[in-house]
Amino acid sequence: GQNIDQPTEMTATEGAIVQINCTYQTSGFNGLFWYQQHAGEAPTFLSYNVLDGLEEKGRFSSFLSRSKGYSYLLLKELQMKDSASYLCAVKSNYQLIWGAGTKLIIKP
Amino acid sequence: DAGITQSPRYKITETGRQVTLMCHQTWSHSYMFWYRQDLGHGLRLIYYSAAADITDKGEVPDGYVVSRSKTENFPLTLESATRSQTSVYFCASSESGGISSYEQYFGPGTRLTVT
Repeated sequence: GQNIDQPTEMTATEGAIVQINCTYQTSGFNGLFWYQQHAGEAPTFLSYNVLDGLEEKGRFSSFLSRSKGYSYLLLKELQMKDSASYLCAVKSNYQLIWGAGTKLIIKP
Repeated sequence: DAGITQSPRYKITETGRQVTLMCHQTWSHSYMFWYRQDLGHGLRLIYYSAAADITDKGEVPDGYVVSRSKTENFPLTLESATRSQTSVYFCASSESGGISSYEQYFGPGTRLTVT
């Protein structure tokens, strides 16, 4: 079957660093996406990994290990506006399979 | 640049009624998708379309019908609404749905309540 696991909720402090993990088991793999979704809004694209390693984009970085079926999203210098849900999605056989999302709460 | 729009944004309907949710994109993207999002679940694909007049089922197609006569429009119809179809519905579009990296762009969503 197809399965993507993420923690349901995480809490972090403004200015700190947080790592959101995603593990997956899918029948095919053509890349892994991270999306951000603020409450009541649509998901917006953050990053894409298809090869192993770290992709850095400003305060956000995403890591992939295909052999371990594992990815993480690293958020640095947290700001209050980073309070949102973070969705992991795997492209498998031309479709995106989505995790349930991790709700990130930022405290001052 | 309107991007991708959905209408209505909010809808309340009764069980058994037919409801159509509209989706329109201005980018001429080939691929369009309909998802539903429920608490505790990830986004679940209902239907997708690779081009005008080409549609295919996703993970949860039962009770839904789609059509795509024009590239820019992808309406979703609930033939006879049930309470289990109460959800937030997102339309998305993408330049490509193949193995490439093209991300999906999402509309603002339609919050549907079936009473």
